[in-house]
Amino acid sequence: DGGITQSPKYLFRKEGQNVTLSCEQNLNHDAMYWYRQDPGQGLRLIYYSQIVNDFQKGDIAEGYSVSREKKESFPLTVTSAQKNPTAFYLCASSTGPFSSYEQYFGPGTRLTVT
Amino acid sequence: AQSVAQPEDQVNVAEGNPLTVKCTYSVSGNPYLFWYVQYPNRGLQFLLKYITGDNLVKGSYGFEAEFNKSQTSFHLKKPSALVSDSALYFCAVRVPLTGGGNKLTFGTGTQLKVEL
Repeated sequence: DGGITQSPKYLFRKEGQNVTLSCEQNLNHDAMYWYRQDPGQGLRLIYYSQIVNDFQKGDIAEGYSVSREKKESFPLTVTSAQKNPTAFYLCASSTGPFSSYEQYFGPGTRLTVT
Repeated sequence: AQSVAQPEDQVNVAEGNPLTVKCTYSVSGNPYLFWYVQYPNRGLQFLLKYITGDNLVKGSYGFEAEFNKSQTSFHLKKPSALVSDSALYFCAVRVPLTGGGNKLTFGTGTQLKVEL
């Protein structure tokens, strides 16, 4: 899982509550990403950030928000607007737009909303 | 649109036998292709990539992948499977983003089960 940490490993929330998932990296990578994983669907991109103070929506951004105030941190907030938030969330980073493109992943956070 | 497909949800193989996990791609331009492995409740681990050069790419843990342009395939292989290779395997392709940067688009994954 390299130098990317995600906390907590498991998270339980009641429906209607916002929740923030932490992602920190010490790899000095410029780019960071958030993915959602559901059984049988592979990984889907939620948000990404190429540099500090800039981020873009991915394929399934509705109901999520992010910030990128520091290079090493890219927290994801799952809001109450997300209709089906229960999933496994993965954070990743890569060296930047002109890198060799592989991404390095954190250990993930399993979110359960009831 | 740039995409990859993994036609098999599950692959079963006996320990010691060769294994193949299939991936086909659909891209415009030169494909940048990747394989990752995921163990239960863990993040994805990078195995190998094809950017350019030799069609046979060697990666971590004895895995290799063969890039075949005419068949638009990038199959993952290992000459002798181990029980510890049992995991979920993902193929991915680089997709350039408007405004700069890149993302990876993943296949749906193939569950590999290696049995004694």
